[in-house]
Amino acid sequence: DGGITQSPKYLFRKEGQNVTLSCEQNLNHDAMYWYRQDPGQGLRLIYYSQIVNDFQKGDIAEGYSVSREKKESFPLTVTSAQKNPTAFYLCASSIDPGQKFSSYNEQFFGPGTRLTVL
Amino acid sequence: DAKTTQPPSMDCAEGRAANLPCNHSTISGNEYVYWYRQIHSQGPQYIIHGLKNNETNEMASLIITEDRKSSTLILPHATLRDTAVYYCIVRANTGTASKLTFGTGTRLQVTL
Repeated sequence: DGGITQSPKYLFRKEGQNVTLSCEQNLNHDAMYWYRQDPGQGLRLIYYSQIVNDFQKGDIAEGYSVSREKKESFPLTVTSAQKNPTAFYLCASSIDPGQKFSSYNEQFFGPGTRLTVL
Repeated sequence: DAKTTQPPSMDCAEGRAANLPCNHSTISGNEYVYWYRQIHSQGPQYIIHGLKNNETNEMASLIITEDRKSSTLILPHATLRDTAVYYCIVRANTGTASKLTFGTGTRLQVTL
C-alpha cells in the first residue's frame, strides 16, 4: 500500500538531547513537509522540500534541521536549541509542486509522532 | 495566502447534514478553497477543494458563493466517525511548494 509512515508514534527524550523523527513515503511525491501542532492549535510549517537535496524554512524553523538525501525520506531533527520541543509532529507529501496553476495539490499526511521532552 | 474565519465548534445529530461555514473575504482570483479534517491524534485528511464552481465527491460537497468570499462544506449524512476538526484553507496552486496555512478550524461533534 502507498502512503506515508512516521515512526515512532510516541517519543520521549530528555531535555538537551537532539532527536530525529523519521518520515518515509512511497507515493513518488516530489515535495515533503514537516508541521508542528500544539494542543488546540492548527498546524504550523517547520520545513519543506520541493526536490532532493533542497529544502526551505517554513514559519517556525528555529531549533530544527532537516535533510533530503532521498526522494522517499525527509527526517526532522529537533535540536536542543528548540525551546519548547514537546508537540505533535506531522509529515506530509504532495505531487510535483512545480506545476503552475495546477488545480490539484493535495497533501497526504502521515500519522504523526508525539514528542515529549522531559 | 488569504486568511479564513471559521466558528470554533458545531454540533450535528447523526444522520443529519452538517453545514460548516468559512469566510474568506480577502481571497484572490487565483486562490482555491481547500478543506481538510483531522480526527483526534491523527494526521489531517484531504476532503475537497474548489475554485469557483460547486464541487461534490464521495465525502462531501463544497458550495462557494458567487463572490467567492465564503464557502460551506456539507457532509450530507453525518456519522459519529465524522467527529473531527475541520480546516478551511485558501491558497494559490502556483509554482512553489503547496504550503498550507492552517487556522484553528471548526470542531464538529456528531451526536446520537
